[in-house]
Amino acid sequence: EVQMVESGGGLVQPGGSLRLSCAASGFTFSSNWMSWVRQAPGKGLEWVANINQDGGGKYYVDSVKGRFTISRDNAKNSLYLQMNSLGAEDTAVYYCARSGITCCDFAYWGQGTLVAVSS
Amino acid sequence: DIQMTQSPSTLSASVGDRVTITCRASQSISSWLAWYQQKPGKAPKLLIYKASSLESGVPSRFSGSGSGTEFTLTISSLQPDDFATYYCQQYNSYPLTFGQGTEVEIK
Repeated sequence: EVQMVESGGGLVQPGGSLRLSCAASGFTFSSNWMSWVRQAPGKGLEWVANINQDGGGKYYVDSVKGRFTISRDNAKNSLYLQMNSLGAEDTAVYYCARSGITCCDFAYWGQGTLVAVSS
Repeated sequence: DIQMTQSPSTLSASVGDRVTITCRASQSISSWLAWYQQKPGKAPKLLIYKASSLESGVPSRFSGSGSGTEFTLTISSLQPDDFATYYCQQYNSYPLTFGQGTEVEIK
């Protein structure tokens, strides 16, 4: 069974940093693109970043470029999101998602982890 | 950036109704479109990929059609489990973008 479990969310002050992790199981992790997608409270879905199978290709939404870094460790079946210079606009549930047949549809999702940016 | 616009934003329907949700792209995305279902407090679930391909395990009452800039998600006979919010998503180009969502509520 495909499973992704996110961790690392929590309350952080504006300007602070947080590192999210996603532990994957039930599939060959190194064979799939992986993404982070977020959802602000009561709002819609927003793609944040994705990374290709070997970690050499990374893409970001403009609003997080230069502040967030996506990475992966295929030996540990894990995906990460390093988030720096956090602002209130980054408050959201962050989902880890596995690609489907192509790089960029989201066939499997974790349960999400909440990041709240507030003083 | 490619903007995705869904209509309607809210849809009231009864069990057994045929329901259609429309998604329009601000420029052509070929068939690079997916549909998701999300229930409150839960992660989204992939229903349709590449505009019309049904994801494994998804009931056949769900179907997708369209190409270019106009797409539809149809539920042929609405079931109690289908009351949820539906999102379209384009993956033709970066940044990947979602529609604003369509809430299907009980009439």
